[in-house]
Amino acid sequence: DADVTQTPRNRITKTGKRIMLECSQTKGHDRMYWYRQDPGLGLRLIYYSFDVKDINKGEISDGYSVSRQAQAKFSLSLESAIPNQTALYFCATSDLYSGGPNTGELFFGEGSRLTVL
Amino acid sequence: SQQGEEDPQALSIQEGENATMNCSYKTSINNLQWYRQNSGRGLVHLILIRSNEREKHSGRLRVTLDTSKKSSSLLITASRAADTASYFCATYHRDDKIIFGKGTRLHILP
Repeated sequence: DADVTQTPRNRITKTGKRIMLECSQTKGHDRMYWYRQDPGLGLRLIYYSFDVKDINKGEISDGYSVSRQAQAKFSLSLESAIPNQTALYFCATSDLYSGGPNTGELFFGEGSRLTVL
Repeated sequence: SQQGEEDPQALSIQEGENATMNCSYKTSINNLQWYRQNSGRGLVHLILIRSNEREKHSGRLRVTLDTSKKSSSLLITASRAADTASYFCATYHRDDKIIFGKGTRLHILP
């Protein structure tokens, strides 16, 4: 099983619908991130969380909300989806305190492709 | 925006040649990381260099960091067909954000 699991992997929805993308991890990491990827724009940070009580806005949080239900679960919601939210969404985790040489390395899920019509 | 830039946007080289891609960023960092992405899949971590390091090696990868110029380079030596992918730099900032650049698409020609 994958260490970072995203569901759904693909979703087509209509403008105005509420959508939730879910992420769960088995790595035991404290930090979790949501990014969106658009062609030619790289990955842009939406929200990140250090623990269940610590959630922070990223570069492009407008139109999105998140919930950290547990250390292992971090959900991204689009309350009223619009077409320009069509993108590939990635969840990632990180363990800043491992102390190893790659402390701060991100581990990614396989992505959730969202299409808003 | 803290987003950095990779250069070039796209690169095609012959198998066996070396590939060099560059990354520039805007604000102070704790570390800089390079990732690879194969065709819309999840990103895979390649190498991390801390702000107090100048050069790091891992197998066929060599990363340099110049904090005075706010720039980094990734060198892949003796390229292989399997190296065809998109490569992204990511900067870890002092506000704990990890920000990605727009990426370089690398194509290894047979």
